[in-house]
Amino acid sequence: GENVEQHPSTLSVQEGDSAVIKCTYSDSASNYFPWYKQELGKRPQLIIDIRSNVGEKKDQRIAVTLNKTAKHFSLHITETQPEDSAVYFCAAIPSTGNQFYFGTGTSLTVIP
Amino acid sequence: NAGVTQTPKFRILKIGQSMTLQCTQDMNHNYMYWYRQDPGMGLKLIYYSVGAGITDKGEVPNGYNVSRSTTEDFPLRLELAAPSQTSVYFCASSPRDAVQFFGPGTRLTVL
Repeated sequence: GENVEQHPSTLSVQEGDSAVIKCTYSDSASNYFPWYKQELGKRPQLIIDIRSNVGEKKDQRIAVTLNKTAKHFSLHITETQPEDSAVYFCAAIPSTGNQFYFGTGTSLTVIP
Repeated sequence: NAGVTQTPKFRILKIGQSMTLQCTQDMNHNYMYWYRQDPGMGLKLIYYSVGAGITDKGEVPNGYNVSRSTTEDFPLRLELAAPSQTSVYFCASSPRDAVQFFGPGTRLTVL
């Protein structure tokens, strides 16, 4: 099955700086890569996603890049704000589409 | 649309008791999932279903059972609760090969 690794496990940045979280996957047939944000005590919620036929996608301060050759994808948050502090999970979905394989999470702290 | 709903929100069980965690979605999604999340940890898949009448084991199925008699409902049954099952349980649903929507979670403590 698919194996997703996520780094770093914790990340602290100053407000206004950028944050980058990277995930690697093992199954070259995976074709959908969502990113979830989970605030303390809340449910995971989708913040951005990308499909394998696209190399980059942006939504305001958030962007995701995908390198299919290297089998890795990254979340980029620019101009970080304290409300960006949360745990972020990446996931990969194989072409069978029946399971999400989640990374282990990155705890992001934005220091005011 | 209510999305994915879960009941109860909180529950305390004694060792050896049983209970059912309820999950309902009103988005007509075929795919439904149960995860557990231990404190400070990631999501571990317990069971999933690709449609009514079809269920399959995930990474950590021991001590749990599921059924899927309708598209909307996907209850999770805990038999003979153990302290190791203390966790937050999330139900999720999705169309095939697309974003999963999570319920608000059930916080379970087994004492």
